[in-house]
Amino acid sequence: GAGVSQSPRYKVAKRGQDVALRCDPISGHVSLFWYQQALGQGPEFLTYFQNEAQLDKSGLPSDRFFAERPEGSVSTLKIQRTQQEDSAVYLCASSPRQGAKGEKLFFGSGTQLSVL
Amino acid sequence: GESVGLHLPTLSVQEGDNSIINCAYSNSASDYFIWYKQESGKGPQFIIDIRSNMDKRQGQRVTVLLNKTVKHLSLQIAATQPGDSAVYFCAENPTGGSYIPTFGRGTSLIVHP
Repeated sequence: GAGVSQSPRYKVAKRGQDVALRCDPISGHVSLFWYQQALGQGPEFLTYFQNEAQLDKSGLPSDRFFAERPEGSVSTLKIQRTQQEDSAVYLCASSPRQGAKGEKLFFGSGTQLSVL
Repeated sequence: GESVGLHLPTLSVQEGDNSIINCAYSNSASDYFIWYKQESGKGPQFIIDIRSNMDKRQGQRVTVLLNKTVKHLSLQIAATQPGDSAVYFCAENPTGGSYIPTFGRGTSLIVHP
């Protein structure tokens, strides 16, 4: 079956522009995560959804970052008034179960955001 | 060895050698650990996992060792192949609350033919 799909694959934005990044998780997966990965670093947690509920957004770096998953499937990460420090790869991951302690994540290929 | 800035710790091996990648985790309450492999331009991919009630787990050509006393994980890859070249991350899952995996910095494995 299809894996986690992210679009666009690459996004170039001028500083101050708003961007929207899309994630299509594996069908039926309950949990969805967004991570930010800077060059040469490991993924850093941004936010977590269980179905449509955003249970943890403690990793969002500022109020310019907003994520939603209105129907419990597709998720969108929106960044308003982009800054150069927002340049990174944004990874989406999903996992099958609800509130499970300890299961592997299935990652998409990410969206590489470059803010000029 | 360790590097700073944009340079990941790097391990260079010859094809056919065994590789050992190390990871120090931070939370003594973590009870589940995963190794991921990330190839260039792709997202991390699951390799193997281990729970805290075990100290060793084997997969196909890979073995994970867990030492809870010193909060240390290692990933051993037998007969390393060029296709194993990638960045390897360990991730830990703390007990309690929602499941939010935390990733280490990663190690770049370079396999020379």
